Amino acid sequence: AQTVTQSQPEMSVQEAETVTLSCTYDTSENNYYLFWYKQPPSRQMILVIRQEAYKQQNATENRFSVNFQKAAKSFSLKISDSQLGDTAMYFCAFIGSTSGTYKYIFGTGTRLKVLA
Amino acid sequence: NAGVTQTPKFRILKIGQSMTLQCTQDMNHNYMYWYRQDPGMGLKLIYYSVGAGITDKGEVPNGYNVSRSTTEDFPLRLELAAPSQTSVYFCASTNTGMVKYEQYFGPGTRLTVT
Repeated sequence: AQTVTQSQPEMSVQEAETVTLSCTYDTSENNYYLFWYKQPPSRQMILVIRQEAYKQQNATENRFSVNFQKAAKSFSLKISDSQLGDTAMYFCAFIGSTSGTYKYIFGTGTRLKVLA
Repeated sequence: NAGVTQTPKFRILKIGQSMTLQCTQDMNHNYMYWYRQDPGMGLKLIYYSVGAGITDKGEVPNGYNVSRSTTEDFPLRLELAAPSQTSVYFCASTNTGMVKYEQYFGPGTRLTVT
C-alpha cells in the first residue's frame, strides 16, 4: 500500500529564516507525482509545488523548493525567507500514474507557524 | 472560471437527518473527489469519480453516497447523520489528461452533527 508520512506535527520559524518540512513516502510505482499543498486558516487548499518522479532536477517556485531523493523516497519542502503569510498547515501528497486509478494519498500535515 | 464550488459553506445537522453537499466544477475535469478533514488531521478520501456515471469508494465511504450524472457535478449525500460525521468536507477535481495531476479544491463545507 502507498503511504505518505509527515513526521513533524508542528514547526515554527522566525520571519526571514529558512525552514524545511519533511515528507517520506512508500510506493512500488516507478512513475508518480509528489505535491506540497498549503492550507492557511481560510481552509483553502493551495498548491505550493509539484515534482514529477522522472525528473531528477528538484522543483522550485520562488521561495519554495524541494529536495527530492527518489531512492530514499524522501520529499522535503524548503521555505526560504519565511513570511508571516506562510503560516499554515502543509500537506505532502502523492499520486501514482501507473496504477490505472488516480487517487491521491495525503500525509497528516505539518502545522507551520512563522514568528514575527 | 469559477473553479470548484461547494455549497453550503456551513451546516448544522441533527442526528439522523440527511443532507446533500453540492460540488460543481467548470474546468471539464474528468476526475472528482470528496474528502473529509477531521480537526488537526489530513484528508481522507470518501469517494471519487473517474467520469460521468462512474464512481468508486475511497478510504472512508460508510455513511455516504455519491452520484455523477454530469461531468460538472458530484454531490455527496449523507444519510442518517451521526456525530462522527462532524468534519470539514472538501470537493476536488483534476484532469488526468493534463499529465500534471494538480488537484483543484473547493472552499470546503464545515458540517456539525449534534
